[in-house]
Amino acid sequence: EPEVTQTPSHQVTQMGQEVILRCVPISNHLYFYWYRQILGQKVEFLVSFYNNEISEKSEIFDDQFSVERPDGSNFTLKIRSTKLEDSAMYFCASSLGGRYSDTQYFGPGTRLTVL
Amino acid sequence: GENVEQHPSTLSVQEGDSAVIKCTYSDSASNYFPWYKQELGKGPQLIIDIRSNVGEKKDQRIAVTLNKTAKHFSLHITETQPEDSAVYFCAAGGSYIPTFGRGTSLIVHP
Repeated sequence: EPEVTQTPSHQVTQMGQEVILRCVPISNHLYFYWYRQILGQKVEFLVSFYNNEISEKSEIFDDQFSVERPDGSNFTLKIRSTKLEDSAMYFCASSLGGRYSDTQYFGPGTRLTVL
Repeated sequence: GENVEQHPSTLSVQEGDSAVIKCTYSDSASNYFPWYKQELGKGPQLIIDIRSNVGEKKDQRIAVTLNKTAKHFSLHITETQPEDSAVYFCAAGGSYIPTFGRGTSLIVHP
């Protein structure tokens, strides 16, 4: 069964450093998402992406964040200058359709630890 | 915006018992209500969803009910097994970004 994959599984970085989290969505999916889950808290939407453009973003997704689909398979989340409060699990998801009622398939997540 | 409340935060049951997790939402425009299961170290996985045009949906031991008037929906797991132990999240959405509940940690004791 096709699945969303994410690398790395765990990223440790120093405050102020840039990190890039990588995702490979399901191959025929067209819509891509990033979510964040701070330890013990709810899953929070960051951004949705379609046709090489951001289609929606939350207030969490400020100028420190960016997303890119550099080739036909990868979808990346970049945090330019990490802060302590960026420590969280980051989940990538993809869906075939773009309505938010279309099933989103989540990857296993990247645990980001900012020291 | 939408606000989703989920209860309880922790639920402990004996194997074979039923488990019920409840969620309420605030935006009457929400029309899609998925439930996710998150096992340790993994991402949320969709286990069942319901749309606003039905009141109940069942898939083997899992069922979801929706009361649009009261703006609440529930997940029912019957004949629980130890492998059902996980964190369960509800969400509400449809026309816009789904809003997640805080999660329920279900522990099934053998």
